[in-house]
Amino acid sequence: DSGVTQTPKHLITATGQRVTLRCSPRSGDLSVYWYQQSLDQGLQFLIQYYNGEERAKGNILERFSAQQFPDLHSELNLSSLELGDSALYFCASSVVGTSETYEQYFGPGTRLTVT
Amino acid sequence: EDQVTQSPEALRLQEGESSSLNCSYTVSGLRGLFWYRQDPGKGPEFLFTLYSAGEEKEKERLKATLTKKESFLHITAPKPEDSATYLCAVQATSNTGNQFYFGTGTSLTVIP
Repeated sequence: DSGVTQTPKHLITATGQRVTLRCSPRSGDLSVYWYQQSLDQGLQFLIQYYNGEERAKGNILERFSAQQFPDLHSELNLSSLELGDSALYFCASSVVGTSETYEQYFGPGTRLTVT
Repeated sequence: EDQVTQSPEALRLQEGESSSLNCSYTVSGLRGLFWYRQDPGKGPEFLFTLYSAGEEKEKERLKATLTKKESFLHITAPKPEDSATYLCAVQATSNTGNQFYFGTGTSLTVIP
């Protein structure tokens, strides 16, 4: 158990809908990352938040957005869902020390199915 | 274009048969290279971080090495419980902050 929690575990929704995925980082970690893992593409970095502020942006679609709250939990909002958004969504967290290079600890993921 | 390529895609080993997994990368501004293990339906589990060419890290039957263009994950005398997908990832600098690139993984099966 990495200490990172994600809810829900599974989510089934229809095209055009909006969903929110939730992540709680490990105790003491200030950074949260979101990834999408689909069968054909592997893990794709979406976005990073550090202590409530957006820190880095990867291949995140405009239909997707995220935020990190004062208690450090994070939410990933996916809107106008398409069939191709079906994937596993992982959250990871890390502690930021004196070095900017740091390992990430992943949650169990949320499996999103868009029908 | 920044990318990470892992080979082979799949590897079947007899228990005790040592081998190596490869991760080659082309990124500018490399900050670190990571190895993760992923079991089916679960999140990746951190194994190692390597920062510079020549660095080596070991953990039980696993040893990771890094050169300027690639990294190897050596598995010595594997056991069936080592069966998993092994992912390589790099952290690189960019105009939009640190970027994280993952390879598609090597699926390892260790046969008793």
